Amino acid sequence: EDQVTQSPEALRLQEGESSSLNCSYTVSGLRGLFWYRQDPGKGPEFLFTLYSAGEEKEKERLKATLTKKESFLHITAPKPEDSATYLCAVQAEGAGKSTFGDGTTLTVKP
Amino acid sequence: DAGVTQSPTHLIKTRGQHVTLRCSPISGHKSVSWYQQVLGQGPQFIFQYYEKEERGRGNFPDRFSARQFPNYSSELNVNALLLGDSALYLCASSLNTRRQTQYFGPGTRLLVL
Repeated sequence: EDQVTQSPEALRLQEGESSSLNCSYTVSGLRGLFWYRQDPGKGPEFLFTLYSAGEEKEKERLKATLTKKESFLHITAPKPEDSATYLCAVQAEGAGKSTFGDGTTLTVKP
Repeated sequence: DAGVTQSPTHLIKTRGQHVTLRCSPISGHKSVSWYQQVLGQGPQFIFQYYEKEERGRGNFPDRFSARQFPNYSSELNVNALLLGDSALYLCASSLNTRRQTQYFGPGTRLLVL
């Protein structure tokens, strides 16, 4: 069965203090790994899709990387508006569903 | 372009009642998936529909059912509501079933009393 584990559960940073969020996964044939941002009470907002080990994608202060066993979401010089829960999900080949981790809640203090 | 839309935004029901949640996908998207998200956890897969056919079902009881209409909108039905069904119900749409990045709607917050 596909599994996704995210760490840490919560992360508190000062504005400008860079860090990384981890997503470890096991899946029988990776079709894609997805990162989402979720604000309280709202639906997840799509950030990145990664398809194969070695792939990297960037958007503003965020950069996602992928290996065969884990993915990292690097946050460079975060701002308070980056505060949210970041979700990681995987899809297996031939499967219609995404399997999600429980997320990392990021708080950025000014 | 409009994103994924869901209705209603909030709903309060009592145990034993029935509920219907609705979802309209992004224009041009033919696949719709439903997820349940309990507070503090990641979304859990319930159903996927593509071209009006069920393509996947998660580990949920038969009280949960869904369908997709010719215009690709979808309904999620839950019968005999339990307190534990209280959650945020999310609809996600994708273009098709290959390399399917899923885009989520705002969700329907269901509270069962």
